[in-house]
Amino acid sequence: EVQLLESGGGLVQPGGSLRLSCAASGFTFSSYGMSWVRQAPGKGLEWVSGISGSGDSTYYADSVKGRFTISRDNSKNTLYVQMNSLRAEDTAVYYCAKNYFWSGNRRLDPWGQGTLVTVSS
Amino acid sequence: IQLTQSPSFLSASAGDRVTITCRASQGISSYLAWYQQKPGKAPKLLIYDASTLQSGVPSRFSGSGSGTEFTLTISSLQPEDFAAYYCQQLNSYPLTFGGGTKVEIK
Repeated sequence: EVQLLESGGGLVQPGGSLRLSCAASGFTFSSYGMSWVRQAPGKGLEWVSGISGSGDSTYYADSVKGRFTISRDNSKNTLYVQMNSLRAEDTAVYYCAKNYFWSGNRRLDPWGQGTLVTVSS
Repeated sequence: IQLTQSPSFLSASAGDRVTITCRASQGISSYLAWYQQKPGKAPKLLIYDASTLQSGVPSRFSGSGSGTEFTLTISSLQPEDFAAYYCQQLNSYPLTFGGGTKVEIK
């Protein structure tokens, strides 16, 4: 069974930093791209960042480009996102999700349970 | 690529046929997925590649469309279907979501 477990969320002051982790199991981690998606309280879903299976290619939403860095450690089956220069508007539940991104087969599935990041003084 | 989802809110009764529309600002082939989200839970994949039903999802859910216009249809709304629904384009990065449709009980 595929499982994704996020951790690292918490309360951080504006301008601060936080690193989220997503521990994956139940599949060959290095064969799949991964994504981070967030949801601000009471709002919709926002795709944040993605990374290829090898880690060679990374992608970002404009809202986080230059502040967030996605990475992965395939030896540990773990996905990360380093979040710097955090703002109040980064407050959200952050989900990791397994990517399918091939011709004729594209989706994010499954998703982890999420970890809450609160940016506030 | 912007996705415009409509309606943003829908009030319906059990047994109703419900249709949600998602329009893309440019062509995305058939690379559109639909997700269902219940309060406090992670989103769940329903449909991918515009019309492929994810394994385990009831057949009352169906998707159609290509290019810039897509629909999610629930043929007979069940009590467990009251939730929020989101479309997502996977044609190109950055991936984007529609604004969501909340389906509530009339």
